[in-house]
Amino acid sequence: AQSVAQPEDQVNVAEGNPLTVKCTYSVSGNPYLFWYVQYPNRGLQFLLKYITGDNLVKGSYGFEAEFNKSQTSFHLKKPSALVSDSALYFCAHGSSNTGKLIFGQGTTLQVKP
Amino acid sequence: GAVVSQHPSWVICKSGTSVKIECRSLDFQATTMFWYRQFPKQSLMLMATSNEGSKATYEQGVEKDKFLINHASLTLSTLTVTSAHPEDSSFYICSASSTGGPSRRTDTQYFGPGTRLTVL
Repeated sequence: AQSVAQPEDQVNVAEGNPLTVKCTYSVSGNPYLFWYVQYPNRGLQFLLKYITGDNLVKGSYGFEAEFNKSQTSFHLKKPSALVSDSALYFCAHGSSNTGKLIFGQGTTLQVKP
Repeated sequence: GAVVSQHPSWVICKSGTSVKIECRSLDFQATTMFWYRQFPKQSLMLMATSNEGSKATYEQGVEKDKFLINHASLTLSTLTVTSAHPEDSSFYICSASSTGGPSRRTDTQYFGPGTRLTVL
């Protein structure tokens, strides 16, 4: 079965410090990986995706993610966290020809001033 | 670009009534729309996938007669919760995607802002 895991329910980081939100995957075939962010009582906003090519993917709001095939990981990173980055982050995999996404369980990022 | 709207953003209804939620892609044509349900502090649960002009494909365990989905055009899909009950109270989110990449698996889904349904 295909799955996406986000091993941390919550990540706490001080403003200005680098942040990492972890994601690992277990899929058959090629992985197609996405990161989304959700602010309270809002829908999800697309940050970035990995389809093929360069392992370092740059996305919106200064976020980037590194695809690591040997570790089956796709961690989300940002060099300097902002308080406004505090939100719920989802990693997902494009699982089928219907376009269906398999989501991780989500990680709450808390950035403290 | 790639903006998806939902209406209403919140709704309160009495048990036994039906509620319709609209999902629109504002600046692109959506080949496919998805409907999700989300419980507090949890991930999204896919309810159904709909393609314009065809019947929706429901996920296992989702009652198709209770959650009616219509995808009448390339920019509009509706979810109707029929005979709503308190257990249907939830946050409903739609998403839309348009085919453009090498595979549907690579299509980006763009999400609406969600609809908070409360059934009294």
